Amino acid sequence: RKEVEQDPGPFNVPEGATVAFNCTYSNSASQSFFWYRQDCRKEPKLLMSVYSSGNEDGRFTAQLNRASQYISLLIRDSKLSDSATYLCVVNRGYSTLTFGKGTMLLVSP
Amino acid sequence: DVKVTQSSRYLVKRTGEKVFLECVQDMDHENMFWYRQDPGLGLRLIYFSYDVKMKEKGDIPEGYSVSREKKERFSLILESASTNQTSMYLCASSAGDGLPIYGYTFGSGTRLTVV
Repeated sequence: RKEVEQDPGPFNVPEGATVAFNCTYSNSASQSFFWYRQDCRKEPKLLMSVYSSGNEDGRFTAQLNRASQYISLLIRDSKLSDSATYLCVVNRGYSTLTFGKGTMLLVSP
Repeated sequence: DVKVTQSSRYLVKRTGEKVFLECVQDMDHENMFWYRQDPGLGLRLIYFSYDVKMKEKGDIPEGYSVSREKKERFSLILESASTNQTSMYLCASSAGDGLPIYGYTFGSGTRLTVV
């Protein structure tokens, strides 16, 4: 099993739609989880951390299921500006992070 | 906000040249990292450093070395550039000496082409 696995997409959705991405990770000892966003030819930027209890930031909701080693990101009311690649990120060792290959989202008018 | 600055946005070098990629962060972070990103392969860790003069190999250190003489600066060195090192290189930093609870902050990347 790969360290972090994501569906590469692309996910094509219309503006206003709700879209969900999933990610699985292999290391049951992992304790830090994040979603990053990466625009084309730009650096990854932190979108949100993922907490055990789940957390929300505006239109974005992240969930963690430790038993299934599964992380999700839900985007409500999609905007054109949400078009990007979303990277699932999990800590590997003490302070290193492992990045998934990303899920591409394309939001159309 | 933490700022991570990479010295060059685009770089073209010849095969066999020694190449230096520089990265500077301004928030006194202990940890610094070098990744490369290639289509279909994602981000792969080359080297990282927990402190000045310390370095640890990542997943793909072959053909690379690093230098951390000052806390704010982490340099990636391609000893003899080859065409398969053509890639986007990303530097990152993070605070603390434990779990990266705040994630990493990345520089804007250096797109290196080796011809």
